[in-house]
Amino acid sequence: GAVVSQHPSWVICKSGTSVKIECRSLDFQATTMFWYRQFPKQSLMLMATSNEGSKATYEQGVEKDKFLINHASLTLSTLTVTSAHPEDSSFYICSARGRSTRSYNEQFFGPGTRLTVL
Amino acid sequence: AQSVTQLDSHVSVSEGTPVLLRCNYSSSYSPSLFWYVQHPNKGLQLLLKYTSAATLVKGINGFEAEFKKSETSFHLTKPSAHMSDAAEYFCVAPGYNQGGKLIFGQGTELSVKP
Repeated sequence: GAVVSQHPSWVICKSGTSVKIECRSLDFQATTMFWYRQFPKQSLMLMATSNEGSKATYEQGVEKDKFLINHASLTLSTLTVTSAHPEDSSFYICSARGRSTRSYNEQFFGPGTRLTVL
Repeated sequence: AQSVTQLDSHVSVSEGTPVLLRCNYSSSYSPSLFWYVQHPNKGLQLLLKYTSAATLVKGINGFEAEFKKSETSFHLTKPSAHMSDAAEYFCVAPGYNQGGKLIFGQGTELSVKP
């Protein structure tokens, strides 16, 4: 149980285009989803926290107009990188947390999406 | 403030020898703590978690960790390394009253030599 998927697993796009990344909880209801960015050889950096049915909360320094997050259902959150530029190239990982109080602190991670902007 | 510190950015061991990945935490309360593993271009997989039950926690793939409050440590160990253990390892703690945010250590890259 507690499987999180991401789609696509990798994407290459031209500078100036927008890219949408999906994050799905396959077998549980995710009340909260988190989006991370990871640079090579570095730890995960939290970009935003998304609660179902409400606006995402962005971390300091993360442009909310650049990284649009939608969490329209209890099983799906999307991250759209708008007008992507080469500096947006990175590994993006989502995670999800469910309703269970027993595993309240535990997040289940997706497999990640490698974005390359040319 | 809470923090998680992984004391080694890189650890190299030979196959069949023990693994020790060190993690110290700073918190004014007794935390939950996790160890995750990340293989290249993959997401994070939970190895084990401490939630104030037993201080010695056994995880998957032969890994275990011991919570030592007196030393504020949660080191990850494995008796015998396997080539497939080569990966990045993260020690993680849930943020206290932070809406579910996780506090990540800097990560330790484990290399396993044949």
